[in-house]
Amino acid sequence: QVQLVQSGAEVKKPGASVKVSCKASGYTFTNYDINWVRQAAGQGLEWMGGMNPPSGKTAYAQKFQGRVAITRNTSTSTAYMEVTSLRSEDTAVYYCGRVGATGLDYWGQGTLVTVSS
Amino acid sequence: QSALTQPASVSGSPGQSITISCTGTGTDVGSYNLVSWYQQHPGKAPKFLIYEVSKRPSGVSNRFSGSKSGNTASLTISGLQAEDEADYYCCSYAGTDVYVFGTGTEVTVL
Repeated sequence: QVQLVQSGAEVKKPGASVKVSCKASGYTFTNYDINWVRQAAGQGLEWMGGMNPPSGKTAYAQKFQGRVAITRNTSTSTAYMEVTSLRSEDTAVYYCGRVGATGLDYWGQGTLVTVSS
Repeated sequence: QSALTQPASVSGSPGQSITISCTGTGTDVGSYNLVSWYQQHPGKAPKFLIYEVSKRPSGVSNRFSGSKSGNTASLTISGLQAEDEADYYCCSYAGTDVYVFGTGTEVTVL
């Protein structure tokens, strides 16, 4: 069965970076794009960016350009999302999702990133 | 890339139908038939409900249906059930491999 398993919760200080992983199983990793979405406590979903695994081509929401990087390791079927220059407003649950049928058909369990001094 | 506009809350009684709107612009909802909808229960990851405006993935109840007119997409839940109480989000393709979510709607079953 299709599964996306994300890395565990992180606590970071302002100005630091965080890298969240998303390991895919149950399907051919290079056949589907991966997107990243975040959700602050009590807030809505926010699309951050996406990647085409075979080519490595990425796209980002304007808000995150230059501060977010999405990469992948096709040999381990793992996608990564790194956020740099963290600030308190980046405290959120970060989700990866597989793009199937032009929508996010499978989601990871979410990774809580807390930014606090 | 502003968030699509959804009503903050919608409510209905069991068995009724409700409709959630999702208003964008001519550069996202109005330009592409690539609107999807998601259901999210508290503390859970979102669930895929609708894609390409009106198509349902396998396993999704036919009580959920989608449509679009101009810059506004809509999700209708018919035969409202207690388990439908959740947050709902629309999402649209906005060109150049970029997507945008809606502001989210809390559905309450009275």
